[in-house]
Amino acid sequence: GAGVSQTPSNKVTEKGKYVELRCDPISGHTALYWYRQSLGQGPEFLIYFQGTGAADDSGLPNDRFFAVRPEGSVSTLKIQRTERGDSAVYLCASSTLAGGTNTGELFFGEGSRLTVL
Amino acid sequence: RKEVEQDPGPFNVPEGATVAFNCTYSNSASQSFFWYRQDCRKEPKLLMSVYSSGNEDGRFTAQLNRASQYISLLIRDSKLSDSATYLCVVNNKGRRALTFGSGTRLQVQP
Repeated sequence: GAGVSQTPSNKVTEKGKYVELRCDPISGHTALYWYRQSLGQGPEFLIYFQGTGAADDSGLPNDRFFAVRPEGSVSTLKIQRTERGDSAVYLCASSTLAGGTNTGELFFGEGSRLTVL
Repeated sequence: RKEVEQDPGPFNVPEGATVAFNCTYSNSASQSFFWYRQDCRKEPKLLMSVYSSGNEDGRFTAQLNRASQYISLLIRDSKLSDSATYLCVVNNKGRRALTFGSGTRLQVQP
């Protein structure tokens, strides 16, 4: 497809379990962002990749959260020992190098809704 | 204090009304400003950029006041399809990531 693709669209897990969320950005977009959005809140920044490297991971809340983008395209957000407070919609976005800062245009996927019971 | 603050609303207005939202930001290093629109249970999408001189896109007008650190969005002749949450977004110098406000919900009624 032409847009940002995220899987799974919904994930229900139990407290303490490990989850992986996948993001397939728009082809050719070098910048990739992970955000999470709780009910009634705006997207909260987690991590930004430029190519394969995490250029800014200042938004990751703690060391249970980790993300990779090994080939500079698909990215995986990994959450260890999930807690009920991790329940949210995890949004992935991509942009061209000129996007983000310059044009402000991030292209978001539809998100992965994570529910931790 | 949140870096970007918005009145959550909801703003309930009749079709054809003019409605305005404001947003304040706390970081004086913020250098780029945007409005995003998010429909219920959908992803955010860029609505428009905000320039110091003010800018217009059809029925939408955005303005920036750097001295007071606030941004506004004016919607004229509201349509039912304008019902959504409007997110105020800033970018800080030296960072590529955008910072989003919590959003203002607009409900346009027939």
